[in-house]
Amino acid sequence: RKEVEQDPGPFNVPEGATVAFNCTYSNSASQSFFWYRQDCRKEPKLLMSVYSSGNEDGRFTAQLNRASQYISLLIRDSKLSDSATYLCVVNMRGYSSASKIIFGSGTRLSIRP
Amino acid sequence: DGGITQSPKYLFRKEGQNVTLSCEQNLNHDAMYWYRQDPGQGLRLIYYSQIVNDFQKGDIAEGYSVSREKKESFPLTVTSAQKNPTAFYLCASSFGGGEETQYFGPGTRLLVL
Repeated sequence: RKEVEQDPGPFNVPEGATVAFNCTYSNSASQSFFWYRQDCRKEPKLLMSVYSSGNEDGRFTAQLNRASQYISLLIRDSKLSDSATYLCVVNMRGYSSASKIIFGSGTRLSIRP
Repeated sequence: DGGITQSPKYLFRKEGQNVTLSCEQNLNHDAMYWYRQDPGQGLRLIYYSQIVNDFQKGDIAEGYSVSREKKESFPLTVTSAQKNPTAFYLCASSFGGGEETQYFGPGTRLLVL
């Protein structure tokens, strides 16, 4: 089982739709969580951190469910410019207590007009 | 402007040749990282450095070497021992010390002739 797993997609949704995808992680001692956005042939860029209480930034909402060990990203009123790959990132505490940052393989999202 | 720069944007390597990828940051970050990304794959950690003059192997360090002589710079050498070097190489940095939000450079695409 991968340490961080994402549905690779692609998710193909019409403009204006609401779309959500999850990311599961295996290490219950994981400390911090992030969503990054990566456009084709570009570097990943931080979209938002994910807090235990959940957080919202405009049309984007991130949630953390520690009991079930997953994080989610919800995009409302999707725009064409939201088309990208969304990477889930988990900061895990390893056996030596050192932090280990794991990237998921990403979920591809395509918004159609 | 503060940020991370990588050069070159594209790099061609001949068989048996060592090549060095540059990564520079002026964000005053202590920690720096090198990742490799293959098509349709997530990021895999090659090497990381939490402080000047110290660095640690990541998950796929074989065939690569790094140095960290200055806080701002973390060059990666792809040696001839790396048999499949064609990939997108991403450098990242963070404040470290538990603050693990990473910021990425624009990447270097390495191709083998």
